[in-house]
Amino acid sequence: EVQLVESGGGFIQPGGSLRLSCAASGFTFSSYGMTWVRQAPGKGLEWVSSISGSGGGTYYADSVKGRFTISRDNSKNTQYLQMNSLRAEDTAVYYCARVATYSYDVWGKGTTVTVSS
Amino acid sequence: QSALTQPASVSGSPGQSITISCTGTSSDVGAYNYVSWYQQHPGKAPKLMIYDVSNRPSGVSNRFSGSKSGNTASLTISGLQAEDEADYYCSSYSSSDTRVFGGGTKLTVL
Repeated sequence: EVQLVESGGGFIQPGGSLRLSCAASGFTFSSYGMTWVRQAPGKGLEWVSSISGSGGGTYYADSVKGRFTISRDNSKNTQYLQMNSLRAEDTAVYYCARVATYSYDVWGKGTTVTVSS
Repeated sequence: QSALTQPASVSGSPGQSITISCTGTSSDVGAYNYVSWYQQHPGKAPKLMIYDVSNRPSGVSNRFSGSKSGNTASLTISGLQAEDEADYYCSSYSSSDTRVFGGGTKLTVL
């Protein structure tokens, strides 16, 4: 069964750092690009970042560029999102998703990040 | 990276058809045939319903269809059913290898 499981969310103060993980199973991980999409409470979906299958290409939304870093370890079938200098507006459910050319065909259940003092 | 424009809400009765629009620009929707649509029920993860403007993934009902004209893409749901009640989001590939989502549309089945 194709599956994505996020972890690493939690409660963090503004200015703090957090690293999210997404463990993949049931498919050849290195053959697919991966992405992070977030959803603030009561709001819509927002694309955050994507990474190519090899990890050689990384892409970021303007809202997180310079603060977030996406990476992957194909030997562990896991992708990561390192989030630094967190702000209140980064509070959201963070979803990991598999990239199927130009759409997202498999999604995890999400992990919640709350940034508050 | 401005969000695509969707109506906040649409509604229809069981058996009817509805269409949700998704308006972008010549840098995203108008430039590429890479529009996708996602269904999200409350408290659940999004589900891919349409990819590359008009293609349905395996397992998605043929009551769902997609199209595009210029800078506007559309999702049509025919033969509305109660389980179609959900939020729907469009997404498009954009310049510089970025992606953009629409603001979302709440579908109510009356």
